[in-house]
Amino acid sequence: GQNIDQPTEMTATEGAIVQINCTYQTSGFNGLFWYQQHAGEAPTFLSYNVLDGLEEKGRFSSFLSRSKGYSYLLLKELQMKDSASYLCAVRVGGGADGLTFGKGTHLIIQP
Amino acid sequence: EAGVTQFPSHSVIEKGQTVTLRCDPISGHDNLYWYRRVMGKEIKFLLHFVKESKQDESGMPNNRFLAERTGGTYSTLKVQPAELEDSGVYFCASSVTGYAGELFFGEGSRLTVL
Repeated sequence: GQNIDQPTEMTATEGAIVQINCTYQTSGFNGLFWYQQHAGEAPTFLSYNVLDGLEEKGRFSSFLSRSKGYSYLLLKELQMKDSASYLCAVRVGGGADGLTFGKGTHLIIQP
Repeated sequence: EAGVTQFPSHSVIEKGQTVTLRCDPISGHDNLYWYRRVMGKEIKFLLHFVKESKQDESGMPNNRFLAERTGGTYSTLKVQPAELEDSGVYFCASSVTGYAGELFFGEGSRLTVL
């Protein structure tokens, strides 16, 4: 089976930095995605890693190590609006196959 | 440009009844996916359409679920007859043809079976 693990909940302070980790054990690997989801809203795409290394996009960065089955999402200069669930997902199959999701990490930003 | 739209946003039905959920993908997106999130669990894949063809339906729970995408545009997901364990949020997502990048999600249809 497929297994994707991430912490259930994290708390951080406005203006600070937080790192959300994700480990995966899957039968295949064709990319790792991070999505942000506010309560009652659609998951929105944040980042995509298919090769090892760091991808930076504004305040958000994502890192991947395929040999370790590990990724993290780094959020800098935290804002109150960053309070949301962060979903780690792996494309196990090829092409445009569907994604396998972790349970998500609920991030709470405190003033 | 309009995003992925889903209807209804919330449906409450009794066990044994039928419900049909609709998804309109982003225009021009040939890939269409259905997912479901049951309370406390992860978002789980149900099936994948490429245009009107079912590419992968390995995640469909049982034969009470029927998905269609006539004409390769919008899709419907019918649950008949609904059971209590079918309650959850049903998400639809779409992506560009042949593109292995991100999926664009709708806001979901919340189904409550009483």
